[in-house]
Amino acid sequence: TAGITQAPTSQILAAGRSMTLRCTQDMRHNAMYWYRQDLGLGLRLIHYSNTAGTTGKGEVPDGYSVSRANTDDFPLTLASAVPSQTSVYFCASSDSGGSNQPQHFGDGTRLSIL
Amino acid sequence: GQNIDQPTEMTATEGAIVQINCTYQTSGFNGLFWYQQHAGEAPTFLSYNVLDGLEEKGRFSSFLSRSKGYSYLLLKELQMKDSASYLCAPMDSNYQLIWGAGTKLIIKP
Repeated sequence: TAGITQAPTSQILAAGRSMTLRCTQDMRHNAMYWYRQDLGLGLRLIHYSNTAGTTGKGEVPDGYSVSRANTDDFPLTLASAVPSQTSVYFCASSDSGGSNQPQHFGDGTRLSIL
Repeated sequence: GQNIDQPTEMTATEGAIVQINCTYQTSGFNGLFWYQQHAGEAPTFLSYNVLDGLEEKGRFSSFLSRSKGYSYLLLKELQMKDSASYLCAPMDSNYQLIWGAGTKLIIKP
């Protein structure tokens, strides 16, 4: 059972470079989410998508962009990375957005910006 | 503003019972989730409460009081594998989860 797959598992990136974090789910979930998790803080929502073709901004969207061309994929792009974007990034999905369905998480991408 | 408060760390003994408290303030409320997260791993769903009262699921139970903005997670018959962080996450009026920083639970033999 694959569930949600994130790639890469970890990455070291030079400041100023661009990077796309990949997220694919095989559960046919309508809603997908990107979070960042930093030590001592709760998960913070970056962007979300309630259905293919739509996206929305979360709590901390600046410096990040997303697209949702189909149901399965939800890539997150850092156009010009900065050290403050060093974090663990989690992709999640739920059966439907705007509802109380539980979110299911991928294993995360550990990103270091130098 | 929206705020979640839960203890940073707790220690308990194998075989014992532990209660992890969470108080919250959100803009609207659409239920509260508890997740477990082992170090270096993804959060995994444990429970969901939307009505006041206790929901029991095996060794884990979760309680909600909406009027008090309060929830707790009760873990019974603790096992070493229960050592993890426990995340409290109420859902606001926009159906977005507001995440606490988590409670790191350390189980000692």
